[in-house]
Amino acid sequence: AQTVTQSQPEMSVQEAETVTLSCTYDTSESNYYLFWYKQPPSRQMILVIRQEAYKQQNATENRFSVNFQKAAKSFSLKISDSQLGDTAMYFCAFEGSNYKLTFGKGTLLTVNP
Amino acid sequence: AAGVIQSPRHLIKEKRETATLKCYPIPRHDTVYWYQQGPGQDPQFLISFYEKMQSDKGSIPDRFSAQQFSDYHSELNMSSLELGDSALYFCASSSTGTGLNTEAFFGQGTRLTVV
Repeated sequence: AQTVTQSQPEMSVQEAETVTLSCTYDTSESNYYLFWYKQPPSRQMILVIRQEAYKQQNATENRFSVNFQKAAKSFSLKISDSQLGDTAMYFCAFEGSNYKLTFGKGTLLTVNP
Repeated sequence: AAGVIQSPRHLIKEKRETATLKCYPIPRHDTVYWYQQGPGQDPQFLISFYEKMQSDKGSIPDRFSAQQFSDYHSELNMSSLELGDSALYFCASSSTGTGLNTEAFFGQGTRLTVV
């Protein structure tokens, strides 16, 4: 079974600064996907970024980028130029061959003005 | 663009009652997933369907059942409700059968409160 670990229950960052959220996972599969989902106070689950394990290049989406280290089973999310609207719970998630998502416990990010 | 539609958005039931949650996936998505997110918790996988057949099952109580219909919408039926069933229930859909795996798109969730 896969496990996903987010070791930072809460983090805070000043507006316009950069913050990195950590995620590690454990799996015996070689082909899989990793995701970061954002859950604002509205509780909607919003996909932030997706990484295919077979791709060495780190995914980027505007201000969001990941540092994917397959050998270390690490998948961190970097948010640049943080905005107040980035305040949310962030979940790291793993998808293997059965397509279901396994989530970490989440990191509550607060962006301060 | 069409998204995953869940209904109702909010539901209040008493203990031992029955609840039915509905999910309408994104058109042409062939896979539907149900997740349960308790207060302060991460979402937990309940069950999934691929082309109207159950494809995987997680930690879903025997009191819960689900199915996917010919029009691809799915329903989660929950009987003998308990206080601990109070949670946010997400439905998600994706396309997995065409060789092009799309990410799961989530609906806005149904907030179930059992009193």
